[in-house]
Formats: sequence, structure tokens, C-alpha cells
Amino acid sequence: SYELTQPPSVSVSPGQTARITCSGDALPKKYAYWYQQKSGQAPVLVMYEDTKRPSGIPERFSGSSSGTMATLTISGAQVEDEADYYCYSADSSGNQRVFGGGTKLTVL
Amino acid sequence: QVQLVESGGGVVQPGRSLRLSCAASGFSFSTFGMHWVRQAPGKGLEWVAVISFDGNNMYYADSVRGRFTISRDNSRNTLFLQMISLRADDTAVYYCAKLGERDTLDMWGQGTMVTVSS
Repeated sequence: SYELTQPPSVSVSPGQTARITCSGDALPKKYAYWYQQKSGQAPVLVMYEDTKRPSGIPERFSGSSSGTMATLTISGAQVEDEADYYCYSADSSGNQRVFGGGTKLTVL
Repeated sequence: QVQLVESGGGVVQPGRSLRLSCAASGFSFSTFGMHWVRQAPGKGLEWVAVISFDGNNMYYADSVRGRFTISRDNSRNTLFLQMISLRADDTAVYYCAKLGERDTLDMWGQGTMVTVSS
């Protein structure tokens, strides 16, 4: 079955840039989406179609994709950005969806 | 008020069945596809299944295909997940999520806990 691979953890100091990567063989042809999940809460969409930011998401969040890797970048990370981040996409058929394993972002 | 409310979770023995429900309100339920996503304790999100707006198309994760069935009743604004032959590794919080524009999961419920244990 299709898999998306993320680093388990990323750590930055407040104000630094955090980059979270997601690799998958179908990403050259399928969009990546990013979800933020804070402890005890349901996930929230922070990026869609590789580079688009939903309304209400701070401008410090941006996305990119090249080849088999998508990246979520948080420029000037804040303490409130501490959360688990999941990439999400579809397999080559477009029918099955998959989440990456998640990346725990620590900002301190 | 726009919301999704899951119910039906609980403790069930291995091999038994359970049906989850997701009640939708505040939007036109019958015009949107819906997903189930689960999260085992302390683990990441796992996509489970998706159903089209009209209930005619369903797709499943390999881990649940043949054991879980996603369905919907648009007259009752309700999504279902019928689970049979439950196993310990099905233990998780189960979320329903609305399929929004651009293939986003733009609304999530708060989840219902399913524990499979003898």
C-alpha cells in the first residue's frame, strides 16, 4: 500500500524557520495537504494543493512541492505552532487516501 | 451550527461488531463526500474510508477492506461505519470528516473512541 514518509520530529527556537518534509512516490502527480493537530484536538487544515493556505491560517505557513517531496514551511515559528503535523495525499489511482506518519514540531 | 458529531464507540470484544454514526448539521450533507479517519492511542492519523455524496462510490484502506463498510443516509444527514471482525489494532478514536472543496477535509468531528479488548 502507498506510504508517505515524514520525519518523526522537528525542533526550532521561536522565530526560526521550521521545515517539515513529506515524501511519496505519487507526489509528482498528486497534491499534498497538511493538517495540524494540537493535543486533544481534532486536526485542522493548514495547507492544501501543495501551496494554498486556507483562510484564517497565518501567512507564516507556506507550502511547496518538488518531485516526490512536499514541504511545509513555518517562517518565524511561534510557540503556539507546537503541534503534530500530518501530510495527506492520494495514491496514483486517486481512490485511496493516506496520511504520513506525522511530525511533532517543538518550538522552544 | 455547522458540526459533525460521532457516536457509537465503546468497548467491544475481539471478533465482535460495532456501528459508528456521524450526525451532520448546518450544511447540505447530501452534496458532500465524507471520510472516516482513525487515530490509535498515541499514534498518528490513519485514513479509513471515503464515500461519495450520493453513496455510490466507496473506497477503503487496505487495513479495513472487507471488514468495514462505510454508508450514509442522506435523508437523516448521517454517516455510518459498520465494523465487523474487530481486532485489537482497530482500537482508536474514530473521526468523521467532511470532504470539502479541492479534496480537503475541511470539517472534523470530535471523535468517538473504540476499544477492542477482551
